[in-house]
Amino acid sequence: FMLTQPHSVSESPGKTVTISCTGSGGDIDHNFIQWYQQRPGSVPTILIYEENQRFSGVPDRFSGSIDTSSNSAFLTISGLKTEDEADYYCQSYDNVDPVWVFGGGTKLTVL
Amino acid sequence: EVQLVESGGGLVQPGRSLRLSCAASGFKFDDYAMHWVRQAPGKGLEWLSGISWNSYSLGYADSVKGRFTISRDNARKSLFLQMDNLRAEDTAFYYCAKDILRGFLGTIDMWGQGTMVSVSS
Repeated sequence: FMLTQPHSVSESPGKTVTISCTGSGGDIDHNFIQWYQQRPGSVPTILIYEENQRFSGVPDRFSGSIDTSSNSAFLTISGLKTEDEADYYCQSYDNVDPVWVFGGGTKLTVL
Repeated sequence: EVQLVESGGGLVQPGRSLRLSCAASGFKFDDYAMHWVRQAPGKGLEWLSGISWNSYSLGYADSVKGRFTISRDNARKSLFLQMDNLRAEDTAFYYCAKDILRGFLGTIDMWGQGTMVSVSS
């Protein structure tokens, strides 16, 4: 099972951006999807778990969803701020073996 | 203070071994699964291995299966990663991470600061 993300996206402050995470080798909704943010020079932090649950302290500008027709998960960030510039990773689990799978990461530029 | 502190990284020759340690504090260590995740410089996250709260369930990425061994000592609140037969492609920052569940198919909510492993002759 693999997760594929766009390498980079960019958007202006105040706008809304959506980052995709497409599954291959299995159904995207077979296991939960998580989203992590990694700002430059920092360790990752959890944003969304179990597809659409915001972790404690995460602003409601961040939301998660899935679309089974495209076998994809999405992270949507509204009201973009310059502090949202970071790498974003989706994560799930293999459908057969007990192993984690990370997407390749998407670099968000807010300019 | 709630934290994870890794140690044991360094420069090692290909084919040699290294043992990473992670000291946990500020939370009930034996209530949670733990993970090792690495990140090569300028690259993405790669999950390596996970271990359940009681060590009964283990998981390994294909890239390290048979070479790396995860273990934990709940009494010492410590997590370990024994890395054998190291390769150049194992060069990365290695992060210790805590799950929110007892089983390791959960979510990471805490990361250490990482320890750098460089494999080179």
